[in-house]
Amino acid sequence: EAGVAQSPRYKIIEKRQSVAFWCNPISGHATLYWYQQILGQGPKLLIQFQNNGVVDDSQLPKDRFSAERLKGVDSTLKIQPAKLEDSAVYLCASSIASLGKLFFGSGTQLSVL
Amino acid sequence: QKEVEQDPGPLSVPEGAIVSLNCTYSNSAFQYFMWYRQYSRKGPELLMYTYSSGNKEDGRFTAQVDKSSKYISLFIRDSQPSDSATYLCAMSVDSSASKIIFGSGTRLSIRP
Repeated sequence: EAGVAQSPRYKIIEKRQSVAFWCNPISGHATLYWYQQILGQGPKLLIQFQNNGVVDDSQLPKDRFSAERLKGVDSTLKIQPAKLEDSAVYLCASSIASLGKLFFGSGTQLSVL
Repeated sequence: QKEVEQDPGPLSVPEGAIVSLNCTYSNSAFQYFMWYRQYSRKGPELLMYTYSSGNKEDGRFTAQVDKSSKYISLFIRDSQPSDSATYLCAMSVDSSASKIIFGSGTRLSIRP
């Protein structure tokens, strides 16, 4: 079974630039999550999709972050404009339903200079 | 005060030792408790998933939950160098994955 795919693996940008991350979940997983993991901290949920609808985006900084999941499969997370404090690993996860076991991708490590 | 507290380590033990990893929490409503393992430059991987109090064993891993003390533990027996990773505890009030609160992780190193 193929895992959660994410790209790019690393990204370095300057503050105020924009950046986008891509995620392809495990086939058949209806629920998709984006997490932010700052160095030395646990993952923090940014947004949850159920198919292509948003279930929870209460912790997404909507003035600069946006996400979409077209056709209920792939998802893109965008930051525009980036700030220094956005430096983190952005993890995508999926699950069969909104319950139980999360499967994580390897993440995108973002450095904002 | 954070909802979930976890000693960041690093913790270094010799191969074959028994490892004890712990978390404390403040929200008495937590019912579901998890341990994730995260290798360097990888995403977290679920190791153990328990509901309410008690013990759960899976191979060399044992998870313990003591709700009266708001304390959970993960024991690793016969530790191997391949167990070297960051271990994250996580918990939630209900079984909804979106409500999971993660600890900050403990870095574990097993010396050959």
